[in-house]
Amino acid sequence: DGGITQSPKYLFRKEGQNVTLSCEQNLNHDAMYWYRQDPGQGLRLIYYSQIVNDFQKGDIAEGYSVSREKKESFPLTVTSAQKNPTAFYLCASSADRVYGYTFGSGTRLTVV
Amino acid sequence: AQKVTQAQTEISVVEKEDVTLDCVYETRDTTYYLFWYKQPPSGELVFLIRRNSFDEQNEISGRYSWNFQKSTSSFNFTITASQVVDSAVYFCALSEAFRGDDKIIFGKGTRLHILP
Repeated sequence: DGGITQSPKYLFRKEGQNVTLSCEQNLNHDAMYWYRQDPGQGLRLIYYSQIVNDFQKGDIAEGYSVSREKKESFPLTVTSAQKNPTAFYLCASSADRVYGYTFGSGTRLTVV
Repeated sequence: AQKVTQAQTEISVVEKEDVTLDCVYETRDTTYYLFWYKQPPSGELVFLIRRNSFDEQNEISGRYSWNFQKSTSSFNFTITASQVVDSAVYFCALSEAFRGDDKIIFGKGTRLHILP
């Protein structure tokens, strides 16, 4: 079945360590997105990519980095520069925004 | 500028009651798309409906119905005879056809509690 796979579902890291969240899709979608969600909050866009080898900053890109070397994959690195990294991270993809997004099941990151 | 407002942060109703979630949007485009997503406690956002700006017909899917009114820039979502499984966060979203990027604008969501 086609879809988006985010791994791992839960992730624990020590403060000061970089951590990479995986997002893989087999939907053949060109565009991919990373969102951050804090408890009781809406979705905030971190980065997005409309095509391989190209990506754009979203509203809260500071402290994060991404790469898009393959159409299927859009990993997100949470760096030590991110002040409050503990959150729920959602990856999404889209063939065309007029059809909406398909979301992954999310990764809950806890930094201690 | 494009914007989606979900004024209801949190709603609680008793099971079997009807409940309406409000969504008001702003856009300068004449061609746009509206969406509703459901986020259950598991976390994944689930697509519920897509509506384009030229189709103002209301839609019904089982206990779910959507009322799109361009005159008031609203796209409200009603759950009839609510059930505990309807408890979730619901997001309304807007996509403009002629944006230069591929971004969809989300509202802040409404958390719905269905009490048994």
